[in-house]
Amino acid sequence: DTAVSQTPKYLVTQMGNDKSIKCEQNLGHDTMYWYKQDSKKFLKIMFSYNNKELIINETVPNRFSPKSPDKAHLNLHINSLELGDSAVYFCASSQDSGRGGLQYFGPGTRLTVT
Amino acid sequence: GIQVEQSPPDLILQEGANSTLRCNFSDSVNNLQWFHQNPWGQLINLFYIPSGTKQNGRLSATTVATERYSLLYISSSQTTDSGVYFCAVGARGGATNKLIFGTGTLLAVQP
Repeated sequence: DTAVSQTPKYLVTQMGNDKSIKCEQNLGHDTMYWYKQDSKKFLKIMFSYNNKELIINETVPNRFSPKSPDKAHLNLHINSLELGDSAVYFCASSQDSGRGGLQYFGPGTRLTVT
Repeated sequence: GIQVEQSPPDLILQEGANSTLRCNFSDSVNNLQWFHQNPWGQLINLFYIPSGTKQNGRLSATTVATERYSLLYISSSQTTDSGVYFCAVGARGGATNKLIFGTGTLLAVQP
C-alpha cells in the first residue's frame, strides 16, 4: 500500500486557471507538509498542518490555499495560476510536528502552467 | 535560519567506483534525512540519521551531530545510483519539523 499518495501525478493548465492537488497518507501521522521543487531542483517547505491546524506558512502567496479536511488529507488549491507556479509539488507526512521524526514523501505532482 | 551545504555539487563515476557525499549544517538538528531523487523525479528516502551510523546494502551514512556534518557513502556504484542526492535537516528546538534541504549532489554513474 502506498504510504503517501498524490493526485494528479501530472497537471498541465493555462495561466489564470484554478487547480487543486490532493494528498492522502495512510500512516496515521499527525503532521502533513507541502514542499515545492523549482526548475533548479531546489526544494522548499510551503505549508505544514498538524491535526488539521496550520502550523507553517512560509511566505507563500495567498493564491495558494492548503486545506486539511482531516489529518489524513492535505490538499493544495492554487488560484489564478502563473507561469512561475510551474514546479513539482511534494506532499509529506510525519508523526510529530516538533520533535524530529522521519518524513515520508509522496511521488510528487508536476505542474506545468502554459 | 539553519543553512545546509552539500558537496560536491556534481560527481561523475565509473560503474564500480566508491564515493562520499558530504552535508554540512549550521546548527543543531533533530532530524537529518538523505534522499535519492531518481531520473523519474521520485524522492526515495535513504536514511533517517540525525546522529550515528547506519548501513543499507551498498549505502551507508554517518552523522556527527557535534561537528554538524553528515556523510553518505556509496560503494560499488551502479548506473541505477544516478540521480540527485539531497540532504535535509530539521532544526532542533524549533516548533515545527520542517525540513531544510541542501542544493543536492548530481551523481552520474557511467557504465
